Amino acid sequence: GAGVSQSPSNKVTEKGKDVELRCDPISGHTALYWYRQSLGQGLEFLIYFQGNSAPDKSGLPSDRFSAERTGGSVSTLTIQRTQQEDSAVYLCASSFFQDTQYFGPGTRLTVL
Amino acid sequence: AQSVTQLDSQVPVFEEAPVELRCNYSSSVSVYLFWYVQYPNQGLQLLLKYLSGSTLVESINGFEAEFNKSQTSFHLRKPSVHISDTAEYFCAVSGMDSSYKLIFGSGTRLLVRP
Repeated sequence: GAGVSQSPSNKVTEKGKDVELRCDPISGHTALYWYRQSLGQGLEFLIYFQGNSAPDKSGLPSDRFSAERTGGSVSTLTIQRTQQEDSAVYLCASSFFQDTQYFGPGTRLTVL
Repeated sequence: AQSVTQLDSQVPVFEEAPVELRCNYSSSVSVYLFWYVQYPNQGLQLLLKYLSGSTLVESINGFEAEFNKSQTSFHLRKPSVHISDTAEYFCAVSGMDSSYKLIFGSGTRLLVRP
């Protein structure tokens, strides 16, 4: 079956613009995670969704970052007023409850 | 809270030699342990995991890792590496407390030379 998909694969934006990153999890997976991978900070957890429970937003670095998950499936990560330090690869993962997390290919975000 | 330490940022090794990639963790709760691999220009793939039971876990491509609770370690080993094993290896933990989010180490780049 299909794995986790993310779009776009690459995004170049100007400082101060808003961006939206999309994640399509594996069908039937209940949990969805966002991480980011950057040279300076390595792999960092951002946010977690599990079913209809309140999301765990403890990893979001600032209030410019937000995410939603519609219908328990697709998720969108939004970064407002992007800064150069937001440049990174944003990874989405999904799992069946607390089972193994499967990662998507990522979205490479470059803020000029 | 959990943390993971991978002391070696890069490990060069000759083909067919053995290798050990070190991973130590700290946590106030019980944890699950993982090794993920990232091949050049590819996404993260699960290599192996420890959830419970036997402390020695193996992957399909010859890697193994042993959970040592007393030393809080989960080192990754392979008795004979191939050129194709060249990749970045990430150790990760998730606490059995809430979201099961993964906390990653900084990664170890395994460079296999002919």
